[in-house]
Amino acid sequence: QITLKESGPTLVKPRQTLTLTCSFSGFSLSTSGMGVGWIRQPPGKALEWLALIYWNDDKRYSPSLESRLTITKDTSKNQVVLTMTNMDPVDTGTYHCAHSRREFYYGSGTRHWFDTWGQGTLVTVSS
Amino acid sequence: DIQMTQSPSTLSASIGDRVTITCRASQSIGSWLAWYQQKPGKAPKLLIYKASSLESGVPSRFSGSGSGTEFTLTISSLQPDDFATYHCQQYDNYWTFGQGTKVEIK
Repeated sequence: QITLKESGPTLVKPRQTLTLTCSFSGFSLSTSGMGVGWIRQPPGKALEWLALIYWNDDKRYSPSLESRLTITKDTSKNQVVLTMTNMDPVDTGTYHCAHSRREFYYGSGTRHWFDTWGQGTLVTVSS
Repeated sequence: DIQMTQSPSTLSASIGDRVTITCRASQSIGSWLAWYQQKPGKAPKLLIYKASSLESGVPSRFSGSGSGTEFTLTISSLQPDDFATYHCQQYDNYWTFGQGTKVEIK
């Protein structure tokens, strides 16, 4: 059974750097095909994908936020860390991490989507 | 960026109703679409992937259809546990979500 749990500060000040940790169990990020992503949801707004890291350390970032994001993994600890710089009140929201499932389709290649999510952690940006 | 637009934003329905939610993509995404159910304070739960594949353990009253730019999630007979917010997500090019559809009690 795959489980994920997010941890980090609940309150950050504008211009500070946010560091969030995703601790997971039920899979290993050293196993081929595995991936963990981060998705956030501002209050009353849509879900927004932020970043994803694969078992081979390949990384993907949201083009609109790429300059502010860094995603890393610690395979020995079963953790993935997301840092976001220069926080602003508009970054307030619930931050989720999620396991990505990979499947290969002939003619379409490999596809990844999120199949198991953590409950999320609420981050408020305010002075 | 691929934009995803869901309709309606809110849907009022009764137990036993057939419910349909629509998701439109700003460009063709093939069948690379997932649907999630989310309850307040909880993690989103995967219901459907590849537009119409039912995730293991999800009740068969949930079904998905569509391809290209237009997709639907149907709940054949609404149950008390189904009152929640539903999100579509494309995974053809990165990952983007619709704004969500809240299904509430009529």
